[in-house]
Amino acid sequence: EVQLVESGGGFVQPGGSLRLSCAASGFTFNSHWMHWVRQAPGKGLVWVSRINSDGSSTSYADSVKGRFTISRDNAKNTLFLQMNSLRAEDTAVYHCTRDTSSSWVNNWFDPWGQGTLVTVSS
Amino acid sequence: EFVLTQSPATLSLSPGDRATLSCRASQSLSNYLAWYQQKPGQAPRLLIYDASNRATGIPARFSGSGSGTDFTLTISSLEPEDFAVYYCQQRSNWPPTFGPGTKVDIK
Repeated sequence: EVQLVESGGGFVQPGGSLRLSCAASGFTFNSHWMHWVRQAPGKGLVWVSRINSDGSSTSYADSVKGRFTISRDNAKNTLFLQMNSLRAEDTAVYHCTRDTSSSWVNNWFDPWGQGTLVTVSS
Repeated sequence: EFVLTQSPATLSLSPGDRATLSCRASQSLSNYLAWYQQKPGQAPRLLIYDASNRATGIPARFSGSGSGTDFTLTISSLEPEDFAVYYCQQRSNWPPTFGPGTKVDIK
């Protein structure tokens, strides 16, 4: 069974940092692009970042560019999101999700992890 | 600015009813549109990709249609577990974006 399990969320003050992790299992992790998508409380889904299968190429939403860094450890089947200079508007559940393609990037997302909540507040 | 809109915002139906959800794009997407289902407290689930292809394990009562700027998700006969929020998502324009969602609730 394909599983994605996020961790690392929590409460942080504005300007602070957090590192999210996503443990993957049940599939060949190093074959897939991976993404982070966030959802503010009671709101819709917003794509945040993606990384290619070997970690050499990354992309970000304009709202997080320069503050967030996506990375991966294929030996440990784990995806990361380093979040710096956090703002109140970054408050959301952060989901990691797998790209559906195992050979390139489709920007279709399946499956999704349950997410980890990040709350930025003073 | 590229925009995805979904209508209606809320759809109140009964089990067994047919549900028709709309997603409209401000620019042509060709067929690069997907649909996701999200139940309260759960992760989203991919239902349809490339406008009309059902994802693995998705029941046949879910179908997608459309191309260009107008797309439809149809649930032929609502089951109790289908009451949820449905999001469309495009990958034709960068970055990938989601619509605001349609909530299907019990009438």
